[in-house]
Amino acid sequence: GIQVEQSPPDLILQEGANSTLRCNFSDSVNNLQWFHQNPWGQLINLFYIPSGTKQNGRLSATTVATERYSLLYISSSQTTDSGVYFCAVLRAGTALIFGKGTTLSVSS
Amino acid sequence: EAGVAQSPRYKIIEKRQSVAFWCNPISGHATLYWYQQILGQGPKLLIQFQNNGVVDDSQLPKDRFSAERLKGVDSTLKIQPAKLEDSAVYLCASSWGQGALNPKNIQYFGAGTRLSVL
Repeated sequence: GIQVEQSPPDLILQEGANSTLRCNFSDSVNNLQWFHQNPWGQLINLFYIPSGTKQNGRLSATTVATERYSLLYISSSQTTDSGVYFCAVLRAGTALIFGKGTTLSVSS
Repeated sequence: EAGVAQSPRYKIIEKRQSVAFWCNPISGHATLYWYQQILGQGPKLLIQFQNNGVVDDSQLPKDRFSAERLKGVDSTLKIQPAKLEDSAVYLCASSWGQGALNPKNIQYFGAGTRLSVL
């Protein structure tokens, strides 16, 4: 099956810093989503991005499907950005396959 | 628009007891998923329904886990008997459909049920 690897596993930032999270996947996919899991466990959709670049406020994401990776950029980080960021991929006829996540801690 | 509703939020049971979780998907969503998330890992699919039919239950431990979606809306996931290794968060998700290429089929997740088996 498809392998999804995320890096780094842990990230500690000061408020206001920028960061880049990476997701590599081992085979072609039809769909890629980024999620933020807050400290209460809720998984929140950030981006549906099978290819290209999207931006939403301080967050942006880029997927290069031909090279099998996606990047999530967080600019001017805030303490509320803390939590676990998951990348998940989907092929036709399957359910989402998640990576192990990147745990982000932002301190003030 | 109301999100995916799950209950209970927390459950503590002894091993060998039974437990049930409930999920109400977003209105109009035909596809419903149950995921298991063990501490420190990403969610893993247990079972996927399309309306009231099972699409994929290949990773469901069928000797102890069962799930149903009788009327194609609400769903119940049951564990009987529970083992220590079943301690996890059980997440329900729903989507409009199941085609991977359609942005309408983004999966939305509920808040989850955190199960502790002692």
